[in-house]
Amino acid sequence: DTAVSQTPKYLVTQMGNDKSIKCEQNLGHDTMYWYKQDSKKFLKIMFSYNNKELIINETVPNRFSPKSPDKAHLNLHINSLELGDSAVYFCASSLQLAGGRDTQYFGPGTRLTVL
Amino acid sequence: AQTVTQSQPEMSVQEAETVTLSCTYDTSESDYYLFWYKQPPSRQMILVIRQEAYKQQNATENRFSVNFQKAAKSFSLKISDSQLGDAAMYFCACMEYGNKLVFGAGTILRVKS
Repeated sequence: DTAVSQTPKYLVTQMGNDKSIKCEQNLGHDTMYWYKQDSKKFLKIMFSYNNKELIINETVPNRFSPKSPDKAHLNLHINSLELGDSAVYFCASSLQLAGGRDTQYFGPGTRLTVL
Repeated sequence: AQTVTQSQPEMSVQEAETVTLSCTYDTSESDYYLFWYKQPPSRQMILVIRQEAYKQQNATENRFSVNFQKAAKSFSLKISDSQLGDAAMYFCACMEYGNKLVFGAGTILRVKS
């Protein structure tokens, strides 16, 4: 029944570790996104994929690597975690309409805490 | 680059009253979409309402309506008959071609019983 799901919901890890967050959508959407919400609640786009192709890649450190095995999944892998990576990470999805815009539906978020 | 400004960090409203949250934006495009999202303490991002810039009529969804002033680049959200469940952080967002969504800093809405 869940439209956009993320696992895990909480992730606590040590500095220097590598971790992954998984995202799946069952809406039949073509485009998926990753957003980061910092401690001040500011939301910023990181990446977007359309049918497994990278479309948006904001200035994000190379330690962050999105991977899309198919259009229903977009995973986020983070290498060498740093304290500043602590945030809530949201996955979202939308249809890719001809007009280039459509409503994005968000997952429940993953709270990442780096110690 | 597009920017979205929410000048009210926090607002309060009495239950059953009406409250308006402000948002201004800047974009170089003539065709764009505007959104209000709600984020309750559960942190889930919930779509409240959407407005296409080419539509002159203001969008409404039950108790939620917008006042879209295209020339002034203003997009305020009016919540009528406020309920306790409306308490949340509200984000205004602008989307240009390419589906890039840019958010404002958010407004915390408190509802008093």
